[in-house]
Amino acid sequence: NAGVTQTPKFRILKIGQSMTLQCTQDMNHNYMYWYRQDPGMGLKLIYYSVGAGITDKGEVPNGYNVSRSTTEDFPLRLELAAPSQTSVYFCASSNGLVLDYEQYFGPGTRLTVT
Amino acid sequence: AQTVTQSQPEMSVQEAETVTLSCTYDTSESNYYLFWYKQPPSRQMILVIRQEAYKQQNATENRFSVNFQKAAKSFSLKISDSQLGDTAMYFCAFMRRNAGNMLTFGGGTRLMVKP
Repeated sequence: NAGVTQTPKFRILKIGQSMTLQCTQDMNHNYMYWYRQDPGMGLKLIYYSVGAGITDKGEVPNGYNVSRSTTEDFPLRLELAAPSQTSVYFCASSNGLVLDYEQYFGPGTRLTVT
Repeated sequence: AQTVTQSQPEMSVQEAETVTLSCTYDTSESNYYLFWYKQPPSRQMILVIRQEAYKQQNATENRFSVNFQKAAKSFSLKISDSQLGDTAMYFCAFMRRNAGNMLTFGGGTRLMVKP
């Protein structure tokens, strides 16, 4: 069981470039999440999904897009990267059940936009 | 919307001593969960302890325990017999029970355990 995996681990983008952050989980979890963590701060929710084909915005969705075509994958797309998107990005997943709601986090992707 | 506040940006403690990290939250919900996460320099988010709001008994996990004061909306973490490996950022988080089970995090407390 690999849990939640994220690629890449590090990336440097130029302003205006685009990229996709990959997230995969092998726990058959229905719920998946994308958070960002700015330096010295707590995590903030970007987007989440409660199942394949269902996504919704979190607290800070501007500048990002997501899709959920399978249970396992939840990619995060950055269009027209800006310096304000320099951050560490975490993907997480959970069962979403009444008695099994813990979120499991991936190792994070450190993104720098210059 | 929920907010989570951690008023101690940094704390330090001597090895083997006890330290308490503070957290307050603001919500109008009655059905929710609270968490403490640890983030060591590796960046990995590690769940330390959780508390269901409907439970009056404070949660404990080995050397970690919480003081949950629902009326005061306070949720502090006590670490007993501090170890060098406890050095990390600690985040308090709130989860409202709904279709999304999203987490709202506080700003974090950096804990340094000194030998």
